Amino acid sequence: GAGVSQSPSNKVTEKGKDVELRCDPISGHTALYWYRQSLGQGLEFLIYFQGNSAPDKSGLPSDRFSAERTGGSVSTLTIQRTQQEDSAVYLCASSFGRGTGELFFGEGSRLTVL
Amino acid sequence: SQELEQSPQSLIVQEGKNLTINCTSSKTLYGLYWYKQKYGEGLIFLMMLQKGGEEKSHEKITAKLDEKKQQSSLHITASQPSHAGIYLCGADGGYGQNFVFGPGTRLSVLP
Repeated sequence: GAGVSQSPSNKVTEKGKDVELRCDPISGHTALYWYRQSLGQGLEFLIYFQGNSAPDKSGLPSDRFSAERTGGSVSTLTIQRTQQEDSAVYLCASSFGRGTGELFFGEGSRLTVL
Repeated sequence: SQELEQSPQSLIVQEGKNLTINCTSSKTLYGLYWYKQKYGEGLIFLMMLQKGGEEKSHEKITAKLDEKKQQSSLHITASQPSHAGIYLCGADGGYGQNFVFGPGTRLSVLP
């Protein structure tokens, strides 16, 4: 596709369940970012992938959060044993690489944990 | 790590008025990006500034970068309801640093 695609757009789950959020970046973009945005808050950095380098996981809030990027393209963010405080919009962005221009964002995945 | 502050936190203006949003960095800016976000949607790229003293304009929006002060300003002339949204500044902190965002400025334009 022409832009960054995220799925699902909305996810409602029960506390304690695991969820997977998917991001399909723009073709050719080597950098991929995950951010979290809680209601009325700014963007919280979660994780960054650049090519085949080890990802920067410094923003992951707990060991319940993990992400992988297969084949340098599609990325999956997994949240295990979800908690109510995990409710937020999860945004994915891609770019040609750090310092090479703007980040292109997907529409986000809205997660609600009941 | 690099941190960005924005002011004001929120802004309500009458249509046709001019306004300015500021972004201040705790460290040297290698690149400063301005984005706009409509509620519940993704971010739309507005402009990127890299050089000290650089100024860019797009339609009625002008952004400037003062690298010495580690600050950038976003100025909207003759605001319209379509300008309403959340404006965020973002920065690439350079090698080994994350791409971080400011907390955002929520702009409302009254018709």
